[in-house]
Amino acid sequence: EVQLVESGGGLLQPGGSLRLSCAASGFTFSTYRMHWVRQAPGKGLVWVSSVDRDGSNARYVDSVKGRFTISRDNAKNTLYLQMNSLRAEDSAVYYCARDGGGLSLWGQGTLVTVSS
Amino acid sequence: QSALTQPRSVSGSPGQSVTISCTGTSSDVGGYNYVSWYQQHPGKAPKIMIYDVNQRPSGVPDRFSGSKSGNTASLTISGLQAEDEADYYCCSYAGTSFIFGGGTKLTVL
Repeated sequence: EVQLVESGGGLLQPGGSLRLSCAASGFTFSTYRMHWVRQAPGKGLVWVSSVDRDGSNARYVDSVKGRFTISRDNAKNTLYLQMNSLRAEDSAVYYCARDGGGLSLWGQGTLVTVSS
Repeated sequence: QSALTQPRSVSGSPGQSVTISCTGTSSDVGGYNYVSWYQQHPGKAPKIMIYDVNQRPSGVPDRFSGSKSGNTASLTISGLQAEDEADYYCCSYAGTSFIFGGGTKLTVL
């Protein structure tokens, strides 16, 4: 089955760190650019980051630059998002998405809550 | 990196047509033919409905269509059905990033 499965979300305090993972299956992961998109509770979608097929050209929305790092392991078919210096405004469901004819495949999301 | 502008809500009766607009700038919507549209039902992940302005993925009904004029893209849903009631988001490539619209809630009356 073609799917993306996110994991790694949780509750943590401001200033903390977290690494999200996105496991891909059912397709050739290494041939697609990948993205992270987040959605705060009751709010809209916000593009967070993307990385090219070979792990190059990492790009970020301004609000996370210098704090978040996107990476991938094509041998493990897994996308990552390392999130440091977390703030309350980073609280959201984080989705990974495959790029190929728009964001053509989405995971179910993982919830990150940053609160003291 | 301001969000693209969408109406907060639109509505229509079953069988009618509705159009949702998505306004950006020459640096995003107007500058590239990489506008996509997503449907999101409550508690669910988004689903792609249109990509590259007017391309429909396999499995998406032909009632959904997309277009663009200048800095504004549009999603038209014809023959509205109850299951079309959802939030809709546009998204555009912007050179080194991607930008989503604020979302539009479609109500089928």
